[in-house]
Amino acid sequence: NAGVTQTPKFRVLKTGQSMTLLCAQDMNHEYMYWYRQDPGMGLRLIHYSVGEGTTAKGEVPDGYNVSRLKKQNFLLGLESAAPSQTSVYFCASSYSLADVVRGYTFGSGTRLTVV
Amino acid sequence: SQQGEEDPQALSIQEGENATMNCSYKTSINNLQWYRQNSGRGLVHLILIRSNEREKHSGRLRVTLDTSKKSSSLLITASRAADTASYFCATDSNYQLIWGAGTKLIIKP
Repeated sequence: NAGVTQTPKFRVLKTGQSMTLLCAQDMNHEYMYWYRQDPGMGLRLIHYSVGEGTTAKGEVPDGYNVSRLKKQNFLLGLESAAPSQTSVYFCASSYSLADVVRGYTFGSGTRLTVV
Repeated sequence: SQQGEEDPQALSIQEGENATMNCSYKTSINNLQWYRQNSGRGLVHLILIRSNEREKHSGRLRVTLDTSKKSSSLLITASRAADTASYFCATDSNYQLIWGAGTKLIIKP
């Protein structure tokens, strides 16, 4: 089925460890996004990409890095995980930043716990 | 920073009743979108209303937008158990989406 696939779905890290979250979309979307969702808060944008080879900072970029080497993939890296990065991470994609017809398509999320 | 703020934070109603959720925002917008999130899942796009529109319908969903009050409402008519979810509004300002904290809707059988 077409859509956005995130891997892994769950992960537990120790403080200081590193990891990479993978997001893949097969809809030929130009735009991709990484959000984090914390209890009682809305989604907060970490980084986004407006096309292959480009990335930009969102609202809460500190502690994260991203890469978009291929149009269909958007990777989110944590170089040195901290307990404050315990969250649910969502990837999304869209045809444009302001897709007024279709909105954003979301993955099912990655639940990350840093101990 | 959160642009949209949903009200109420939680809503519990009987199956068959109508559910109304509200969203307020702070700055001018291009459009406002509503999404649904089932427990443990990603968000699903429900409906979008542009800044020059006042009302929009999609099936059992009705969205209104009052730009003078910087607010929107989502009405779900004849609620069903499957409508149990969290609902988020997102405003499109400067071509990025900014999200509210959501309304948790519970439909009781």
